[in-house]
Amino acid sequence: AQSVAQPEDQVNVAEGNPLTVKCTYSVSGNPYLFWYVQYPNRGLQFLLKYITGDNLVKGSYGFEAEFNKSQTSFHLKKPSALVSDSALYFCAVRGGAGSYQLTFGKGTKLSVIP
Amino acid sequence: EAGVTQFPSHSVIEKGQTVTLRCDPISGHDNLYWYRRVMGKEIKFLLHFVKESKQDESGMPNNRFLAERTGGTYSTLKVQPAELEDSGVYFCASSQAQLRDGYTFGSGTRLTVV
Repeated sequence: AQSVAQPEDQVNVAEGNPLTVKCTYSVSGNPYLFWYVQYPNRGLQFLLKYITGDNLVKGSYGFEAEFNKSQTSFHLKKPSALVSDSALYFCAVRGGAGSYQLTFGKGTKLSVIP
Repeated sequence: EAGVTQFPSHSVIEKGQTVTLRCDPISGHDNLYWYRRVMGKEIKFLLHFVKESKQDESGMPNNRFLAERTGGTYSTLKVQPAELEDSGVYFCASSQAQLRDGYTFGSGTRLTVV
């Protein structure tokens, strides 16, 4: 069975500082990895995905994530946080032959402090 | 292009009543998915349609939940009779044909059973 762990329920960072939201996963076969963001009273918005290729993936709003196969991690990063980045972030994995199911982590609430 | 549309955005019903949630996927997306997030826990997969056929309904919690996608366009998710533990946010998503494609999620329906 596949699983995703987001070890931090909440991350606080000062505006302008770099941010990292952690994600580790467990899946059989090659993983397809995703990050989604949920702003208050909004749906899930796609940020970025890793399928194959470069381990560093660049996505929307200046976010990027690094796929690390040996550590089974896919941490989300941004060099300089904005107050508007404050939201709930979800890591998800899809794996296994022919599986379309996404397995999500519990989510990490990011608060960027002015 | 129009996104994934869900209706209603909020619903408050009494235990034992019936509620029907609707999802309109992006036009041309054969794959349609239902997920839900209960009480701040992980977002969990419910089921997957390919056109009008149920491809995977392994996540449906019990037979009080019935999903349909007549004609392969919009989908409905009916809960009958609703129980308190059904409260949560129900997300619909759609995607194109390939496994490597990302999902587009709707804004969700917040269901409260009292």
